[in-house]
Amino acid sequence: AQTVTQSQPEMSVQEAETVTLSCTYDTSESNYYLFWYKQPPSRQMILVIRQEAYKQQNATENRFSVNFQKAAKSFSLKISDSQLGDTAMYFCAFMKPGPWEGSQGNLIFGKGTKLSVKP
Amino acid sequence: NAGVTQTPKFQVLKTGQSMTLQCAQDMNHNSMYWYRQDPGMGLRLIYYSASEGTTDKGEVPNGYNVSRLNKREFSLRLESAAPSQTSVYFCASSEATPQRLGTQYFGPGTRLLVL
Repeated sequence: AQTVTQSQPEMSVQEAETVTLSCTYDTSESNYYLFWYKQPPSRQMILVIRQEAYKQQNATENRFSVNFQKAAKSFSLKISDSQLGDTAMYFCAFMKPGPWEGSQGNLIFGKGTKLSVKP
Repeated sequence: NAGVTQTPKFQVLKTGQSMTLQCAQDMNHNSMYWYRQDPGMGLRLIYYSASEGTTDKGEVPNGYNVSRLNKREFSLRLESAAPSQTSVYFCASSEATPQRLGTQYFGPGTRLLVL
């Protein structure tokens, strides 16, 4: 069974600085998808970034980028120029494809990292 | 375009009472999901529906039932609530387009307290 581990329960960073959140996963699959979701105090779950395992290029979305190391089964999230609005829980998630082409499996979430951005 | 909506936002139940959590999406997604979120546990899948007319158990299905009423709506029922079901419940639906396969969109959550 796949597992997702986030080893940092809490982190803090000064506004405008850079922070990296760690995520490792365990799978025997060769093709899969990885995600980072953000959950601010409002509780709304928001997609931050998505990575397809067969793509070697690391995904980026504005100030958010990932360092995807497939052999090491590592998927870290880097937040550059941190802003107060980045304060949230961040969840790493794994998904393997479904049983037929184009179908999808279920998301498996890590337990989250609570990030505080300080002014 | 409201995305994923959930009702109610907050509910208090007594042990043994029943209730249904409602979820609807207007994005024409085939797949829908119910999760619960407990402190320190992340999100755990209760039930999912890969397409209209199908439902399957997730990681923690005991004490729950679901109905996929149509493509838009997916409800979660607690037949006899227990204090262990105190949690925040999220509904989600997911994309099937190749470019965004697996991306899930979440509702705002329902906070349930069982006394």
